[in-house]
Amino acid sequence: DIQMTQSPSSLSASVGDRVTITCQASQDISNYLNWYQQKPGKAPKLLIYDASNLETGVPSRFSGSGSGTDFTFTISSLQPEDIATYYCQQYDNLPQYTFGQGTKLEIK
Amino acid sequence: QVQLVQSGAEVKKPGASVKVSCKASGYTFTSYGISWVRQAPGQGLEWMGWISAYNGNTNYAQKLQGRVTMTTDTSTSTAYMELRSLRSDDTAVYYCARAEGSGSSLWGQGTMVTVSS
Repeated sequence: DIQMTQSPSSLSASVGDRVTITCQASQDISNYLNWYQQKPGKAPKLLIYDASNLETGVPSRFSGSGSGTDFTFTISSLQPEDIATYYCQQYDNLPQYTFGQGTKLEIK
Repeated sequence: QVQLVQSGAEVKKPGASVKVSCKASGYTFTSYGISWVRQAPGQGLEWMGWISAYNGNTNYAQKLQGRVTMTTDTSTSTAYMELRSLRSDDTAVYYCARAEGSGSSLWGQGTMVTVSS
């Protein structure tokens, strides 16, 4: 099975900061990588699909990049409403999906 | 309205089974699969498995093989997830999500399953 290593596990940043989260796959997954945002008590929300495509309606301050084994998720200017836990998720053609461990983002 | 509506909270004893439903509306049910994801209290997301609503094909997480069964009823556009031989560490919120080939943009509201003696 493919393992996903997400870092950091937690992050504290100020409003307006640029925030970066990384996700590493245990083997080449091409661009089969999604990013989700989850707020307490809510279902996850898809932000980025296929590594770099912004889901409809998601603010453009969110972006994703990478391919192969190394991926990056970026918030260009942190807003108070971005406080949440973020997860990467890989998928293959079985289909089988694996989530990263999550990154809890807090306001400094 | 495009939505997935899940059944209500459950409390089960260890060793029992639970069956959670997920009713789809507002889209062609058989055009997508359904994934099931769970989240233990204070923990991360765990993918449990996937079922094709078109032909019933399934793929389960290795960890749950033998204890989980996913089914669909196309006449009512409903997906089901049954988990057997429940243990305390199965206590979690269980989500269904529409599997769209890559990510899942449509999720159910979640169903809390508590396993306690």
